[in-house]
Amino acid sequence: NAGVMQNPRHLVRRRGQEARLRCSPMKGHSHVYWYRQLPEEGLKFMVYLQKENIIDESGMPKERFSAEFPKEGPSILRIQQVVRGDSAAYFCASSPQSLGSNYGYTFGSGTRLTVV
Amino acid sequence: DAKTTQPTSMDCAEGRAANLPCNHSTISGNEYVYWYRQIHSQGPQYIIHGLKNNETNEMASLIITEDRKSSTLILPHATLRDTAVYYCIVIGGGGAQKLVFGQGTRLTINP
Repeated sequence: NAGVMQNPRHLVRRRGQEARLRCSPMKGHSHVYWYRQLPEEGLKFMVYLQKENIIDESGMPKERFSAEFPKEGPSILRIQQVVRGDSAAYFCASSPQSLGSNYGYTFGSGTRLTVV
Repeated sequence: DAKTTQPTSMDCAEGRAANLPCNHSTISGNEYVYWYRQIHSQGPQYIIHGLKNNETNEMASLIITEDRKSSTLILPHATLRDTAVYYCIVIGGGGAQKLVFGQGTRLTINP
C-alpha cells in the first residue's frame, strides 16, 4: 500500500516562473492537506481539500498561490511568479476521514522548492 | 482546538527510555491527543494517538492522565535514530479538521 506520494522531490525555479507541486494521497483517502516549512522554521498549515472542494484555505497566501484536488488525479499546489521567499519544503498529508481514524494523517516526503 | 505546551528541548541517553511530556489543560471531552515527529527534514511521521486510555504500539506508548490535562509519550529504548522534533497535537473528534503544529520538543539522543 503506497504512502502519500509527492513529486517532484526537488524543484528549482527561476524568479517569476511557475511551480507546480503534486500530491497523490494514499489509496482510499479523500482528504488532502498542504503544509509549508521555511528553512529553520516549523510546519505551517496552508490548505485543506476534499475531492473537488477547498475546505479551509486559511493558511494560503492571498496572492500567487492556489490549490486543487480534482475528481481524478493528484492534488496540485500551484505557485505563480515565484519569488526567493517561496523557497521552502512543501509537505502534503492525507487522511481517510477527518478524525477518530486509526490511521492518523499520513505525510509525504515533501517537495523542496528552490527559487534562484 | 486546545493548545499544547511542550518543553523546547530534551536529551536522553541511547538505550534509555525517553519520556516526552505535553500539557493540554484546556482539552475538551471529544478531543484526541496525537503525536508526530519530524526527523531532520523528512515528512512528519505519525507515532501514536489516544482519547482517554493509555495506548501502546510498536513505536511508543502514550500515557494520558485521568483528567486528560496532560500526557507523556514514552520511547522505551531510545536509539540515535529517534533524534527528532516531537509534536503533541490536540484535535477535535468531529467535522473537518487540520493538524496545527506548534514548536514541538527537540529530542536529542546521545550515545
